[in-house]
Amino acid sequence: DGGITQSPKYLFRKEGQNVTLSCEQNLNHDAMYWYRQDPGQGLRLIYYSQIVNDFQKGDIAEGYSVSREKKESFPLTVTSAQKNPTAFYLCASSIVASSQGNTEAFFGQGTRLTVV
Amino acid sequence: SQKIEQNSEALNIQEGKTATLTCNYTNYSPAYLQWYRQDPGRGPVFLLLIRENEKEKRKERLKVTFDTTLKQSLFHITASQPADSATYLCALNRDTGRRALTFGSGTRLQVQP
Repeated sequence: DGGITQSPKYLFRKEGQNVTLSCEQNLNHDAMYWYRQDPGQGLRLIYYSQIVNDFQKGDIAEGYSVSREKKESFPLTVTSAQKNPTAFYLCASSIVASSQGNTEAFFGQGTRLTVV
Repeated sequence: SQKIEQNSEALNIQEGKTATLTCNYTNYSPAYLQWYRQDPGRGPVFLLLIRENEKEKRKERLKVTFDTTLKQSLFHITASQPADSATYLCALNRDTGRRALTFGSGTRLQVQP
């Protein structure tokens, strides 16, 4: 089945530790995205990538880093510089990164990160 | 400032009635607007996309309108069912220099049997 897979589903991190969230897609999509969702709030864009070896900062990139070495994979690292990392993290992909907003985004099932 | 606003209060309706959800935006001129459904603890799922020159788009029991003068989209679910209970998010691309969707905060719909 084609789709987008995030792992793990739940993740616990101690303060001061870096942690990496995995996102893999087999949809052959060029574009991939990371969003953060806090309770009762909408999705906020962290980073996005239009193509392999390229990525752009979103609205809340501070304290996060990404890489896009393969088309299928777009891992997100939450660094110790991120002050409030506890949140629900969503990865998405689309066939291309449209400037018009006319391409459907396919989302993974999310990773819930908790800092303990 | 640029904003996408959806009613943060939950919408409670009776089964069989029509649910209407609102998405208002300010200081954007999107060419397209999208609607997604999100169930608790899961990723959003795409429902419908509407272009700026389309007044209305339908898919089964769903209908979306897009009024670029009012800067508003309405999302309707007719003959609502308890299974329609979820949070509904609108999304648009806020400027052509950024190739990613910006989402509203969503409205939670609860359909009572």
